[in-house]
Amino acid sequence: NAGVTQTPKFQVLKTGQSMTLQCAQDMNHEYMSWYRQDPGMGLRLIHYSVGAGITDQGEVPNGYNVSRSTTEDFPLRLLSAAPSQTSVYFCASSYSTDTNEKLFFGSGTQLSVL
Amino acid sequence: SQQGEEDPQALSIQEGENATMNCSYKTSINNLQWYRQNSGRGLVHLILIRSNEREKHSGRLRVTLDTSKKSSSLLITASRAADTASYFCATDETSDYKLSFGAGTTVTVRA
Repeated sequence: NAGVTQTPKFQVLKTGQSMTLQCAQDMNHEYMSWYRQDPGMGLRLIHYSVGAGITDQGEVPNGYNVSRSTTEDFPLRLLSAAPSQTSVYFCASSYSTDTNEKLFFGSGTQLSVL
Repeated sequence: SQQGEEDPQALSIQEGENATMNCSYKTSINNLQWYRQNSGRGLVHLILIRSNEREKHSGRLRVTLDTSKKSSSLLITASRAADTASYFCATDETSDYKLSFGAGTTVTVRA
């Protein structure tokens, strides 16, 4: 199993550009989520999904869109990149929505918006 | 807003010493989890403690939970250079299944 795979690992965007961060898991996990990590602020939840076709907002959803057309994939779209979106983005998944389950994290995407 | 807050922000210890870090949270929880993050990597799950548990062990890790004080501690015994990492607590609010992470404690183990 590859686990949780994120692409790309690094990305530089200009303000106003759009892009999609890819996340795929091969563990048949029901729950998937996106976090951003900023210095001194820990991880903040952007969007999450409890199954294919179901998504919901987290703590900091503005400027981001998600979709979950398959169990395996959960892409994060930046609609019009802003410097405030410079961050490290992590995708995470778990077997179910039960909070007894641990999260499996991808290796992250480091995004810089100029 | 962040549910959990770790203390201290940073910790530097000698190899072989114990490292203790604390996590405080604001609302009732079902579970509390601890994760480790090595530099430039994703988070890795270490241990989960349920709200009805007071202490849990896993190898050199010992976690305590005091729900009356809304706090948890993570103890790493006999630290090694490989323990150098950031450690995060994560909590769930009772009516939700989202995990909220604190800002983390950065631990440096000196050889």
